[in-house]
Amino acid sequence: GENVEQHPSTLSVQEGDSAVIKCTYSDSASNYFPWYKQELGKRPQLIIDIRSNVGEKKDQRIAVTLNKTAKHFSLHITETQPEDSAVYFCAARGGSTLGRLYFGRGTQLTVWP
Amino acid sequence: DADVTQTPRNRITKTGKRIMLECSQTKGHDRMYWYRQDPGLGLRLIYYSFDVKDINKGEISDGYSVSRQAQAKFSLSLESAIPNQTALYFCATSDSGQGRAFEQFFGPGTRLTVL
Repeated sequence: GENVEQHPSTLSVQEGDSAVIKCTYSDSASNYFPWYKQELGKRPQLIIDIRSNVGEKKDQRIAVTLNKTAKHFSLHITETQPEDSAVYFCAARGGSTLGRLYFGRGTQLTVWP
Repeated sequence: DADVTQTPRNRITKTGKRIMLECSQTKGHDRMYWYRQDPGLGLRLIYYSFDVKDINKGEISDGYSVSRQAQAKFSLSLESAIPNQTALYFCATSDSGQGRAFEQFFGPGTRLTVL
């Protein structure tokens, strides 16, 4: 099956700085890559996703890039704010098992005021 | 609003007890999932179901069983709970309809403690 690696496990930034979280995947047939945000005590919620036929996608302060050749994708958060503090999970939808997501282990992002 | 709900939200039980966690959804989705979350290990899939007659094992199904009673209900059972099953459990749903996104929607979670 698919294997998703996520780095770093923890990330601390000053408010206003940028944050980057990186993930790699193993299955070249994977075709969908979502990012979920989980605030403390809450459920994971989708914040942005990208499909394998797109190289980059932006939504206001967040963006995701995908490099299919290298099999890695990244989440970029610009102008970080304290409310961006949360655990972020990347995931990949395996090409061989329809609909199944494989999650990374998560990144705890802390934004200091 | 259409939602995914889980009961109970918190449960403390003893080793060896049988316990059931329930998930219901009003989103009209056909696919349902059970995940387990442990600190530093992310979200690991226990079981998933693509429709009422379909049940599939995930990566950590040992010690668990599931039942898909209806399209809107998916239950997770621990036949004989053990302490290392202490974790936060999430149910999720998705819609396989033509042209639909692959997004999974999560329930609020059940915090289970096995003493």
